[in-house]
Amino acid sequence: GAVVSQHPSRVICKSGTSVKIECRSLDFQATTMFWYRQFPKQSLMLMATSNEGSKATYEQGVEKDKFLINHASLTLSTLTVTSAHPEDSSFYICSAPSGQGNFGQKLFFGSGTQLSVL
Amino acid sequence: GESVGLHLPTLSVQEGDNSIINCAYSNSASDYFIWYKQESGKGPQFIIDIRSNMDKRQGQRVTVLLNKTVKHLSLQIAATQPGDSAVYFCAENPRATGRRALTFGSGTRLQVQP
Repeated sequence: GAVVSQHPSRVICKSGTSVKIECRSLDFQATTMFWYRQFPKQSLMLMATSNEGSKATYEQGVEKDKFLINHASLTLSTLTVTSAHPEDSSFYICSAPSGQGNFGQKLFFGSGTQLSVL
Repeated sequence: GESVGLHLPTLSVQEGDNSIINCAYSNSASDYFIWYKQESGKGPQFIIDIRSNMDKRQGQRVTVLLNKTVKHLSLQIAATQPGDSAVYFCAENPRATGRRALTFGSGTRLQVQP
């Protein structure tokens, strides 16, 4: 299957700092990537859709000024958590669709980034 | 449906037994469904998918059943192994809405006892 690489896998930062997470599609191009957030023992919640060459689309309740998304190329999307606070501590996962699945839109996921804000 | 912050339900099975994990989806417009496996600290891994014009699809040791009447999806794992221990999520793609992102169910933790 297609490979999505996500870095870093874990980051610990002080409150008020900014953290950048990178998501790369390694063997395919992705005009769209999706950013999810997952709190412990919960499901994945879509935060935003990253679009190459245009603005990201944010889900209701997600602050676009806090979670900056840049999709600079067909293989790279970045999520920057600005002025991070302890409540932003979570597992962030990116994903990208690789063409069509057997029937529909199969997503391939990165390995996730565990963000801990002190 | 979306998670509401509840603890994940857990299914505990003996190694070698068959496992059945269930999922109820909410959007009748969804026409494509996927099961993902997520191990601790990792991203979800694709297991199997099914389209709404099918009611059953089989893979290697896994079978997905779809009942559109009651909006229910199940994943059957044959001869469950310790390596199958993980959290399993169903996901739906409501293509009628034009969204390409998947909506994830609340998940089930599978524990395989040796």
